Amino acid sequence: QKEVEQNSGPLSVPEGAIASLNCTYSDRVSQSFFWYRQYSGKSPELIMSIYSNGDKEDGRFTAQLNKASQYVSLLIRDSQPSDSATYLCAAPERTGTASKLTFGTGTRLQVTL
Amino acid sequence: EAGVVQSPRYKIIEKKQPVAFWCNPISGHNTLYWYRQNLGQGPELLIRYENEEAVDDSQLPKDRFSAERLKGVDSTLKIQPAELGDSAVYLCASSPWGGPSIYSGNTIYFGEGSWLTVV
Repeated sequence: QKEVEQNSGPLSVPEGAIASLNCTYSDRVSQSFFWYRQYSGKSPELIMSIYSNGDKEDGRFTAQLNKASQYVSLLIRDSQPSDSATYLCAAPERTGTASKLTFGTGTRLQVTL
Repeated sequence: EAGVVQSPRYKIIEKKQPVAFWCNPISGHNTLYWYRQNLGQGPELLIRYENEEAVDDSQLPKDRFSAERLKGVDSTLKIQPAELGDSAVYLCASSPWGGPSIYSGNTIYFGEGSWLTVV
């Protein structure tokens, strides 16, 4: 298994619906996660992070972590066309004195009118 | 505060030619990363620097890729000779000391990327 895995999509949801983006991970990564959003032709930007089991909410975004099942998800409520982007799940891997981020392949989200 | 600056933004070269990318990280960030992102894929780490020391270069194809970070600030990534499969976006990123961590609140910040097309 790759360290961090995502379904590449595209995931298509209508405007106003809830988009659910999922990520699974191996035992080799740190059990804390970052979600990045990447618009087409742009660089990734941080949305939110999570390290505790359960839910973490930030505006329309909710990150969920289930360590027993080794998955992390990102829910986007009231999806807007401006949410159309690729969402990358990333986990820190500590090597030496510092960490690097290992990314999944990303899930492309399309919010339709 | 200025973000991570990269140049050039776009480069088209013929195969077997050399190419170089330059990165200026966020001021004060000790850690610098070069990632490569292929179309439809997530970023993959090529090399990581702590100050001027390369501490993780296991994914760097050393037969044709080289990198340096003189004086622990700016960095350059070079490919010589380029191959068709090197077409990708080369992302430079930086973070404060220790790298990304939920506990410290640090994350990594990306530049806009250098888009390479090898023809």
